[in-house]
Amino acid sequence: EVQLLESGGGLVQPGGSLRLTCAASGFIFSDYVMTWVRQAPGKGLEWVSTITGSGDSTYYGDSVKGRFTISRDNARNTVYLQMNTLRAEDTAVYYCAKPPYTFYWWFDSWGQGTPVTVSS
Amino acid sequence: DIVMTQSPDSLAVSLGERATINCKSSQSLLYSSNNKNCLAWYQQKPGQPPKLLIFWASTRESGVPDRFSGSGSGADFTLTISSLQAEDVAVYYCQQYCTPSLAFGQGTKVEI
Repeated sequence: EVQLLESGGGLVQPGGSLRLTCAASGFIFSDYVMTWVRQAPGKGLEWVSTITGSGDSTYYGDSVKGRFTISRDNARNTVYLQMNTLRAEDTAVYYCAKPPYTFYWWFDSWGQGTPVTVSS
Repeated sequence: DIVMTQSPDSLAVSLGERATINCKSSQSLLYSSNNKNCLAWYQQKPGQPPKLLIFWASTRESGVPDRFSGSGSGADFTLTISSLQAEDVAVYYCQQYCTPSLAFGQGTKVEI
């Protein structure tokens, strides 16, 4: 059974940094892209970032490009989201998600999310 | 980047009636390698992560009731709930996966 467990969320001041972690189990981790999606309070889903299975390629949404960095440790079955220069508008629940197939990026497995609040 | 726009933002449907949600993309989602449309639909209930309903625009995920169906091609797509049940109250999102810059629609809230 696929399991995705996010952690690392919390309260941080504007301009601060936070690193989110998604621990995965139940599948061959290195075979799959991993993605972060966020949801601001009362708002819709926003794609944040994706990393390929090898970690060679990364992709970012315009709102986080240059501030967030996605990475993975295939030996630890973990994907990370390093978030720097945080802004109030980054306040959201952050989900990690996995597709059912290597090459097609819809998502059938999601974590429960970790909340991030950016406020002074 | 591809922009996804859903309509309406919300709708109220009587139990047992049909609910129709539209999703329009800013460019064609026809995937040339298999002639399918790279569009997925999700259902999200409060306090829960999204749940996959449909992929390739019209393929129902295993375990999803057959009252949910997806249709459309190119840049215009529809999610239909043929006979709304109380447990279908949720927000529904479309998502394109044709390009690595993924995108979701803004969501459509379905109420009784």
